[in-house]
Amino acid sequence: GAVVSQHPSRVICKSGTSVKIECRSLDFQATTMFWYRQFPKQSLMLMATSNEGSKATYEQGVEKDKFLINHASLTLSTLTVTSAHPEDSSFYICSAQRTGSSADTQYFGPGTRLTVL
Amino acid sequence: GQQVMQIPQYQHVQEGEDFTTYCNSSTTLSNIQWYKQRPGGHPVFLIQLVKSGEVKKQKRLTFQFGEAKKNSSLHITATQTTDVGTYFCAGPGSNFGNEKLTFGTGTRLTIIP
Repeated sequence: GAVVSQHPSRVICKSGTSVKIECRSLDFQATTMFWYRQFPKQSLMLMATSNEGSKATYEQGVEKDKFLINHASLTLSTLTVTSAHPEDSSFYICSAQRTGSSADTQYFGPGTRLTVL
Repeated sequence: GQQVMQIPQYQHVQEGEDFTTYCNSSTTLSNIQWYKQRPGGHPVFLIQLVKSGEVKKQKRLTFQFGEAKKNSSLHITATQTTDVGTYFCAGPGSNFGNEKLTFGTGTRLTIIP
């Protein structure tokens, strides 16, 4: 159990376009989901915490108007990279926290590799 | 803010040799988690340590949580080519109920066959 999926797994887009990434918890409900970004050969950096039914909480330095997060249901959170630029090219990974579980238990999705031309 | 550092950054070992990565947090942790990320893949949860001084083993992997709950280590005995990847430690926020994980800087392990 505790499977998290992401779609798409890879996306290539032109500069200036918007890209939506979906994160789904397949067999459990997730009140809280997290979005991370990982640049090549670097660690995971938390971008934002997504809470079902409320506004996301963004980490310092992450533009909320550029990275739109919507957590409309207990199994789905979306991250939209608006007006993407080459510097937004990265590996975006979500994780989901099972509702009612320990606050520390997170299940990671397989990631989405974004390339902006 | 909370910082989690790992050393070494890179480690190249001959197959069959042992490997150790060390994790140090700037703040006391309620628990420490370890993840493995294969090249091109996503982090995969390995283990969670909660108690001060705790030691856990998974086959050839030994995980240790420091007495002060600010450091941890992962030791692999007799490495195999399947051990290749980057190993990250991660700890939750220092405030109780803080769900956010801070990932360590990672140690990339390569194996020379």
